[in-house]
Amino acid sequence: GAVVSQHPSWVICKSGTSVKIECRSLDFQATTMFWYRQFPKQSLMLMATSNEGSKATYEQGVEKDKFLINHASLTLSTLTVTSAHPEDSSFYICSATRDRGPKGQYFGPGTRLTVT
Amino acid sequence: SQELEQSPQSLIVQEGKNLTINCTSSKTLYGLYWYKQKYGEGLIFLMMLQKGGEEKSHEKITAKLDEKKQQSSLHITASQPSHAGIYLCGAAESRSNDYKLSFGAGTTVTVRA
Repeated sequence: GAVVSQHPSWVICKSGTSVKIECRSLDFQATTMFWYRQFPKQSLMLMATSNEGSKATYEQGVEKDKFLINHASLTLSTLTVTSAHPEDSSFYICSATRDRGPKGQYFGPGTRLTVT
Repeated sequence: SQELEQSPQSLIVQEGKNLTINCTSSKTLYGLYWYKQKYGEGLIFLMMLQKGGEEKSHEKITAKLDEKKQQSSLHITASQPSHAGIYLCGAAESRSNDYKLSFGAGTTVTVRA
């Protein structure tokens, strides 16, 4: 149990376009979802915390107008990269929690975004 | 936010040999988590430690948290090719915010047959 999926697994888009990434909890209700970004050979950097039905909380330095997060249901959160640029190319990973405490944080398989 | 240092950055070990990875923080760790990641994939939860001096084992992997709760080690005994990957330690931001994690840079483990 506690499976988190992401879609798409990889995407290539042109500079200036927008891309939406979905994060779904398949067999549990996710009270909180997190969006991370990971550059090659670097650690995960938390971008934002998303709670169902409320606005996402963004980490310092993350542009909320560029990275739009919507957590419309207890099983789905979306990250939209607006007006993407090559520097937005990265590996984006989401995670979801169902219980209080990180041991309940389950990670998706990630989405590789390449902006050309 | 919590800053975690992992060492070594990478290591190569002969199959059957043991290896140890360290994770150090300048602040008290309210919860220390070990994950494994294969390149380009998500994270697999390995273990969580909360109490000073705590030690947990699962199959051939043992994780310890020191008494001061500022350093943790992950030890793999008799490594196998399946142990290859990137190991990340993550720490809770604070006692009250224990579901939000900061991560170390990771340790890349290569197991040679």
